[in-house]
Formats: sequence, structure tokens, C-alpha cells
Amino acid sequence: AQTVTQSQPEMSVQEAETVTLSCTYDTSESDYYLFWYKQPPSRQMILVIRQEAYKQQNATENRFSVNFQKAAKSFSLKISDSQLGDAAMYFCAYRSQLGGTSYGKLTFGQGTILTVHP
Amino acid sequence: DGGITQSPKYLFRKEGQNVTLSCEQNLNHDAMYWYRQDPGQGLRLIYYSQIVNDFQKGDIAEGYSVSREKKESFPLTVTSAQKNPTAFYLCASIATAANYGYTFGSGTRLTVV
Repeated sequence: AQTVTQSQPEMSVQEAETVTLSCTYDTSESDYYLFWYKQPPSRQMILVIRQEAYKQQNATENRFSVNFQKAAKSFSLKISDSQLGDAAMYFCAYRSQLGGTSYGKLTFGQGTILTVHP
Repeated sequence: DGGITQSPKYLFRKEGQNVTLSCEQNLNHDAMYWYRQDPGQGLRLIYYSQIVNDFQKGDIAEGYSVSREKKESFPLTVTSAQKNPTAFYLCASIATAANYGYTFGSGTRLTVV
């Protein structure tokens, strides 16, 4: 079974600064997908970024980028130019290859609470 | 607008009582999922369903039951056998298992009183 570990229960950053959230995972599969989700106080889950394991290029979405190290099984999220609206719980998640017998199940890490200071 | 509707937003359960959480989607998605969220533990999978009249246990299915009689609906029953049901419950769906565009509901907060 796959596991996802987020070793930072809480992180903080000054507005306009950069912060990196860590995530490691364990799997024996070679083809899979990784996600970062944001959960603000409203508790609505919002997709931040997605990475396909077969792609060597790190995914980027505006101020959000990842550092995907497949051999090390590491998937960190970098938030640049942090904004007050970035304050939320962030979850790293894993899913097996598309169409596999796992039926699209997501395995989540424990979450990291990000605080942004003005 | 298409989406997932979870109801109620807040639910209180007495000891020994069964309660049912509603999850309805109008996205024509095939696959649906129930997750439980506890502080410090992230989200854990309770049950999932790929098609109507079929569902599988997730990692923490004990004390829970589901049904999938209609494509749009995937209700979760928290039975009296679930000893620690106080948690936040999230429902999610995707078009097919071969897809990764998940849609999440807004959740139900269940509290035992």
C-alpha cells in the first residue's frame, strides 16, 4: 500500500516571501500521479497543482511550483510571493496510474497548516 | 452549476444512533468516494464506488455502510458500530476512474453528543 508523509505539521511565511512544503511518499509503482490540495478555513478542497510521474519536468502553476524527485520519492511544493489568501491547510496526495484497479483512490498526507504573516 | 452537494453541513448524533450523510452530484461522474478527516491524520478513505450498484471498502470502512442505487447519489451511513464518529466527512467524485479531475463537496461535520 502507498503512504504519503508530510513531516511539517505547521509552517509560516511572511507575505511576499517564499515557502516550501515537504512531502514524501512510498510506492512500488512506477506510474502514478501526485497532487497538492489546498483546504482554506471554508474546508473546500482546491486543487493547487498536479504532477504526472512519467514527466521529468516539474509542474508549475503561476506562483506554485513543485520539486519532484522520483528516485527520492519526494514531492515538495514551493509557493512564491506568498499572499494572505494562501493561508490554509495543504495536503499532498498520491494516486495510482489512470484506469488501474485502485479506481482513482487518493492517498493523502497528514497535512501542513500554512500561516501567512502580513 | 454542476457540483457535489453534501448535506447536512452539521450533524449531531446520539450514542447508539445511526445517521446518514447525503452526497449528491449532477456532474454525471461515474466514480464517487467518501473520506474522513481528523486533525493530524489527513483524509482517509472510507468507501468508494466506480459504478452504480457496486462499491468497495476503503481503509477505514468498519462502522460505516454505503449504497449506490443511483449514479448521482452515494449516501454514507455511520452506524452505532463506529465508536469514534466525530469527524469531518468529505465526498468526492471523478468522471471515471481513468480521470484525475476530482470534485469535492463542502463536507459534513458530524459530532456525537
